[in-house]
Amino acid sequence: EDKVVQSPLSLVVHEGDTVTLNCSYEVTNFRSLLWYKQEKKAPTFLFMLTSSGIEKKSGRLSSILDKKELFSILNITATQTGDSAVYLCAVDPRGTGANNLFFGTGTRLTVIP
Amino acid sequence: SAVISQKPSRDICQRGTSLTIQCQVDSQVTMMFWYRQQPGQSLTLIATANQGSEATYESGFVIDKFPISRPNLTFSTLTVSNMSPEDSSIYLCSVVGRQGDTEAFFGQGTRLTVV
Repeated sequence: EDKVVQSPLSLVVHEGDTVTLNCSYEVTNFRSLLWYKQEKKAPTFLFMLTSSGIEKKSGRLSSILDKKELFSILNITATQTGDSAVYLCAVDPRGTGANNLFFGTGTRLTVIP
Repeated sequence: SAVISQKPSRDICQRGTSLTIQCQVDSQVTMMFWYRQQPGQSLTLIATANQGSEATYESGFVIDKFPISRPNLTFSTLTVSNMSPEDSSIYLCSVVGRQGDTEAFFGQGTRLTVV
């Protein structure tokens, strides 16, 4: 059974801290892995990773994929209160017969001043 | 990226009634999906909205409960029928712009509370 597991489930940090969010997956077919930030209702796209070892970076956020060990991490440096959100990891097997993204349950990050 | 307008943004409904959620995209998109996110849970795909034909439902979801329309490449509706408190969730429309695209964009979501 395909599954995506995120850890930790929740995390509370102080402003300025660095956090690492984890996502491991087991899927029959793999095309890419995506990270989303969900603040209220709608997830907003952060990164798409398709190749191992290539870091994607956007400001204080960065992410990397390990296709051999089947996991990805999302790093946030110098956290701010605006980073408080649920971070969702999803695996995309589409184009291989499947039709949908498989989402993890998310990591709820709370950044306190 | 596609701009997606989803409405209503929230509603409180009586059990036994139905609610139709609309999703309008500012450009033609290849694929449109409907997801549900129950409280404290991740996103679960309800169905793929197919233009001009019946939607493709995932296991555990049926057309009688969640009828879906997609009359063209920019618009879709999801109806939650004969609602019960267990249907209280966030419902999200998602689109993929072009064939082969991986990146999925989401509407603003509809927060439904059934009382």
